[in-house]
Amino acid sequence: QVQLVQSGAEVKEPGASVKVSCKASGYTFTNYGICWVRQAPGQGLEWMGWINPDNGNANYAPKVRGRVTMTTDASTSTAYMEVRSLRSDDTAVYYCGREIYGEYLDLWGQGTLVTVSS
Amino acid sequence: SYEVTQPLSVSVALGQTARITCGGNNIGSKNVHWYQQKPGQAPILVIYRDTHRPSGIPERFSGSNSGNTATLTISRAQAGDEADYYCQVWDNSTWVFGGGTKLPVL
Repeated sequence: QVQLVQSGAEVKEPGASVKVSCKASGYTFTNYGICWVRQAPGQGLEWMGWINPDNGNANYAPKVRGRVTMTTDASTSTAYMEVRSLRSDDTAVYYCGREIYGEYLDLWGQGTLVTVSS
Repeated sequence: SYEVTQPLSVSVALGQTARITCGGNNIGSKNVHWYQQKPGQAPILVIYRDTHRPSGIPERFSGSNSGNTATLTISRAQAGDEADYYCQVWDNSTWVFGGGTKLPVL
């Protein structure tokens, strides 16, 4: 069926990097963009950026630009998001989502908890 | 940058109608989308482009958008509607989420 399946939880020390994956199935991966959204504990949703799997073009939220890189691998229908120089306030559940016409997300991954702690 | 504002909490009695607002400067000129998130789960889309329901979303969920306020309306509220609700717009190549509204069903 149509779904996005994300990689498992991660625990990282401050200053480290983390790479979260999001594997798509049930649809043509290159026909839809992928967005990344995070949610800190007890907080709301925060958009991090968007990538076009067809050409690799990405657009990042100003808050994370320079520390985040989004990539895709069309051969495996997988999107990746790497966050570098992790801080404690990067602790959050990270979601990938399939975007429609650059406007909204009609399909979400199950989320990946990233904990940054020494 | 564009901002959207939601009430922290809106309560509704079982079987009654809940209205959750999303305020923003001339938000009526933008497409507004709504997500429902239950504890420990990923969000799901319940309304897109102001008024449209994805397949599988009950007709009890409806939306409107005019002026400076968009509204998600949940009719005949059920216990299973208890969740956090987020509005979202696209503005100047940026996606903006509201802070979320908690909906307890009493």
